[in-house]
Amino acid sequence: AQKITQTQPGMFVQEKEAVTLDCTYDTSDPSYGLFWYKQPSSGEMIFLIYQGSYDQQNATEGRYSLNFQKARKSANLVISASQLGDSAMYFCAMRLSNFGNEKLTFGTGTRLTIIP
Amino acid sequence: DADVTQTPRNRITKTGKRIMLECSQTKGHDRMYWYRQDPGLGLRLIYYSFDVKDINKGEISDGYSVSRQAQAKFSLSLESAIPNQTALYFCATSDFLAGGTGELFFGEGSRLTVL
Repeated sequence: AQKITQTQPGMFVQEKEAVTLDCTYDTSDPSYGLFWYKQPSSGEMIFLIYQGSYDQQNATEGRYSLNFQKARKSANLVISASQLGDSAMYFCAMRLSNFGNEKLTFGTGTRLTIIP
Repeated sequence: DADVTQTPRNRITKTGKRIMLECSQTKGHDRMYWYRQDPGLGLRLIYYSFDVKDINKGEISDGYSVSRQAQAKFSLSLESAIPNQTALYFCATSDFLAGGTGELFFGEGSRLTVL
């Protein structure tokens, strides 16, 4: 069974600094996808970024990038030039790619607080 | 209007009561899911459905049941609510496409409190 681990329950970062949120995963399947979601205090789940296991390059979406290290089974989220609006819970998730097994497994989350 | 709509958004009930949380979607997705979120535990899968005739248990299905009334509707029931079912519940949808991400699209959440 697949597992996602986020070891940082909370982080405090100064505004405008870069921040890395850690995520490691465990699966024996060769084909999978990795996701990051943001949950602001309002509660909604916002999709940020996706990385496929066969993607050759690290995914990027604006200020978000995913540092994908396949051999180490890590998929860390990097937020550049943090902003106050980045304060939120962040969840890492994984999905297997075989048909009929596409449900997402989530980590326990990291609460990021940006300090002015 | 939201693509994935959950009702009610907030509910307070008493132990032993039957509760239904409803979810409807306009995205045309086949796959629908119910997750619950608890502080420190992240999101855990309760049930999921890949089409109208397909219902599957997730990792924490005990005490819950679901019904897929149509492609667009997926409801979650607590037959006899207990306090440890107090949580934030999310409905989500996805559409598996070859080469696609399989990203989940979430509803706004239903906050349930069982006294």
